[in-house]
Amino acid sequence: GESVGLHLPTLSVQEGDNSIINCAYSNSASDYFIWYKQESGKGPQFIIDIRSNMDKRQGQRVTVLLNKTVKHLSLQIAATQPGDSAVYFCAENMDTGFQKLVFGTGTRLLVSP
Amino acid sequence: DGGITQSPKYLFRKEGQNVTLSCEQNLNHDAMYWYRQDPGQGLRLIYYSQIVNDFQKGDIAEGYSVSREKKESFPLTVTSAQKNPTAFYLCASSPRPGTGIGEKLFFGSGTQLSVL
Repeated sequence: GESVGLHLPTLSVQEGDNSIINCAYSNSASDYFIWYKQESGKGPQFIIDIRSNMDKRQGQRVTVLLNKTVKHLSLQIAATQPGDSAVYFCAENMDTGFQKLVFGTGTRLLVSP
Repeated sequence: DGGITQSPKYLFRKEGQNVTLSCEQNLNHDAMYWYRQDPGQGLRLIYYSQIVNDFQKGDIAEGYSVSREKKESFPLTVTSAQKNPTAFYLCASSPRPGTGIGEKLFFGSGTQLSVL
């Protein structure tokens, strides 16, 4: 699979800006997608999910967009805060009938005060 | 206080030694998983278990072993056959698929394994 080694893609934004984190997924048959947030030394935390029969889903300050035509997923964070600084992973479910997620390599979000 | 507990937080392994990482959940979830995370990379699936007394190999099972004798527990043993064990290990669980609760995984806080 794809690997970026020690150098994660990094998005740097100012506090209050909107952030957009992108993810390309690999399997056109994937039917479920999740975004996770991982802070240093901790386990990933669920942010938002979306099924393949939807193209947009909104949560609190976050929106996920799904474009199945180009196999692209994005996470939008409104009014980004310093506490949003973390690594963000997208994951896709490639097995029907059982939850077996495949994770992307992640994007580091750095929020400056 | 429901959740997934991994222990220890940090673990050191000597050459030729087997070590076991603990994972306990009190969420009454059927499925449990072990992932490995290397610096700057995504999570790779080691083993997973859909139900007690049953488990399947993931993408990188070589050098690892698991057991699922109880619903709450899914320990991972890193054997001496795993030549590059240094990584951050994450345990996760999920409800039975199709329950309507949601299919997302719930993660523990991880164990950092290093080789002495």
